[in-house]
Amino acid sequence: EPEVTQTPSHQVTQMGQEVILRCVPISNHLYFYWYRQILGQKVEFLVSFYNNEISEKSEIFDDQFSVERPDGSNFTLKIRSTKLEDSAMYFCASSSGVKETQYFGPGTRLLVL
Amino acid sequence: QKEVEQNSGPLSVPEGAIASLNCTYSDRGSQSFFWYRQYSGKSPELIMFIYSNGDKEDGRFTAQLNKASQYVSLLIRDSQPSDSATYLCAVIRAGNNRKLIWGLGTSLAVNP
Repeated sequence: EPEVTQTPSHQVTQMGQEVILRCVPISNHLYFYWYRQILGQKVEFLVSFYNNEISEKSEIFDDQFSVERPDGSNFTLKIRSTKLEDSAMYFCASSSGVKETQYFGPGTRLLVL
Repeated sequence: QKEVEQNSGPLSVPEGAIASLNCTYSDRGSQSFFWYRQYSGKSPELIMFIYSNGDKEDGRFTAQLNKASQYVSLLIRDSQPSDSATYLCAVIRAGNNRKLIWGLGTSLAVNP
């Protein structure tokens, strides 16, 4: 069964460093998303991406964040200068259409020290 | 008012019983409703989705939607210890965006 994959599974970084989180969505999916979940809190939407551009972004997704689909398979989230409060689980999701269910990857646990 | 509200629990039921999980939402224009299951430290896993008023059954799971009351529920019949997890309610509002808006989740414990 096709699935969304994410790398790395864990990332530890120093405050102020750049991190890139990688995702490989399900191959025939066209809509891509990033969510995050701070420990003990609810899942929060960050950004959606379709047709090589951002469809929507949340207030959290400020200038420190960017997304890219550098080739036909990868979808990346970059945090330019990490802050302590960026520590969270980051989930990538994809869907095949606007009305279709979003399927989630296993997540990357990011710890900013 | 929170956009999606769930009782955080924990909800504790004996094995074999029916577990009932509830969710309310604030935006009357919401159009799609999802139940995800999340084990500790893992990603959300889709259980069911429902778009129309009424009941939708899939195996041991039944989702119920009442748009007039802005209420969606999930029933789990014949609960198993492996059903012990946090159940997340997520909603998509009207419009062209597809972002999921999440509740905090209800923790379910099924006791053998």
